[in-house]
Amino acid sequence: GQNIDQPTEMTATEGAIVQINCTYQTSGFNGLFWYQQHAGEAPTFLSYNVLDGLEEKGRFSSFLSRSKGYSYLLLKELQMKDSASYLCAVRKVDKLIFGTGTRLQVFP
Amino acid sequence: DAEITQSPRHKITETGRQVTLACHQTWNHNNMFWYRQDLGHGLRLIHYSYGVQDTNKGEVSDGYSVSRSNTEDLPLTLESAASSQTSVYFCASSDRRGSTGELFFGEGSRLTVL
Repeated sequence: GQNIDQPTEMTATEGAIVQINCTYQTSGFNGLFWYQQHAGEAPTFLSYNVLDGLEEKGRFSSFLSRSKGYSYLLLKELQMKDSASYLCAVRKVDKLIFGTGTRLQVFP
Repeated sequence: DAEITQSPRHKITETGRQVTLACHQTWNHNNMFWYRQDLGHGLRLIHYSYGVQDTNKGEVSDGYSVSRSNTEDLPLTLESAASSQTSVYFCASSDRRGSTGELFFGEGSRLTVL
């Protein structure tokens, strides 16, 4: 089976840094994805980690520790448009299993 | 540009009726997936396909069926709609060949079962 945990909600201030954690327990692991989803829209790809370590992409970074079953998404220099849900997903072969998502609200 | 489209975008139906949600992708992807999204549950996998004539059950497949007769389409059928199937449905596709397995999502179909 699989279990993927993320905080349900987080709040932060514009210009700040926020870290969204994801822990997972799964039989079979082929990588971990982060997706962003604005209200009423489809999820869009943010990052993919298959090896341990940090992947940086502009204001967003994602970290993976396979031995700990742990990942985080780091958002820097927060903007109002970053208010969205952030979905952690574990890849098993070619299918993705999603956590329940973290709703981030950014305040001025 | 390649894309993935779903139809209808909004549908209201009655309990017991058969409903089909269409999904069409022009990416030429082997893999196609159907998810439902509900508050408190996130995205849950209903059915998926790794190629023509291949279909597999996901974690919440009861009451749903799919068929894959060509690469581009994976229609999702609710045989007898129930109120518990009121949800937002997302279709997605990915390319198996030498890629990360990134999913590309359609815009979603909101289904209400009365």
